[in-house]
Amino acid sequence: AQTVTQSQPEMSVQEAETVTLSCTYDTSESDYYLFWYKQPPSRQMILVIRQEAYKQQNATENRFSVNFQKAAKSFSLKISDSQLGDAAMYFCAYRRDRGRGSTLGRLYFGRGTQLTVWP
Amino acid sequence: EAQVTQNPRYLITVTGKKLTVTCSQNMNHEYMSWYRQDPGLGLRQIYYSMNVEVTDKGDVPEGYKVSRKEKRNFPLILESPSPNQTSLYFCASSFTGFNGYTFGSGTRLTVV
Repeated sequence: AQTVTQSQPEMSVQEAETVTLSCTYDTSESDYYLFWYKQPPSRQMILVIRQEAYKQQNATENRFSVNFQKAAKSFSLKISDSQLGDAAMYFCAYRRDRGRGSTLGRLYFGRGTQLTVWP
Repeated sequence: EAQVTQNPRYLITVTGKKLTVTCSQNMNHEYMSWYRQDPGLGLRQIYYSMNVEVTDKGDVPEGYKVSRKEKRNFPLILESPSPNQTSLYFCASSFTGFNGYTFGSGTRLTVV
């Protein structure tokens, strides 16, 4: 199985401040996709942002951006101007869709980071 | 509306009583997966399917069965549930490529 590691079980941030969530992954592939999912208390899984490994440019979605370091196999999520509604569990995930092997198309998750936002 | 529909949302059952959690998607996705979520362990894949009649074990398949007779449906079967299968279960589906998986609303299963 692929390994996705989130080293911060919990993080907290003050409203309007910026926070960065860390994620590293293990792969020998060069072509893959990375994702951040948000799970609020409603438990729904919501796709926040995604990155293609062959693109050097970091993905951005409004207040959410990533720092993708391919050589270091690192994929951190930055949340700017944090809002109370950002409080949730955040999961980093990896997917490979090219080549061969039993892991093709499967989505692998880290263990998650619980983000608390203080008013 | 494009969605993945799981039923039931909550289920309490007794040890050994066979149950099925249904999952249906209306997006014509090739890939479908089942995950279980436990505190501190993230989402672990139980089974996944690349297309009709093509299924494969994930990381925690013991005690579970699946079938994919139609493209839209991917039921999860617990033949003889045990308390260690108490968990939050998610079904998800996807096309290949850059699209992430779309998730159902989850099924909270308690086995007593």
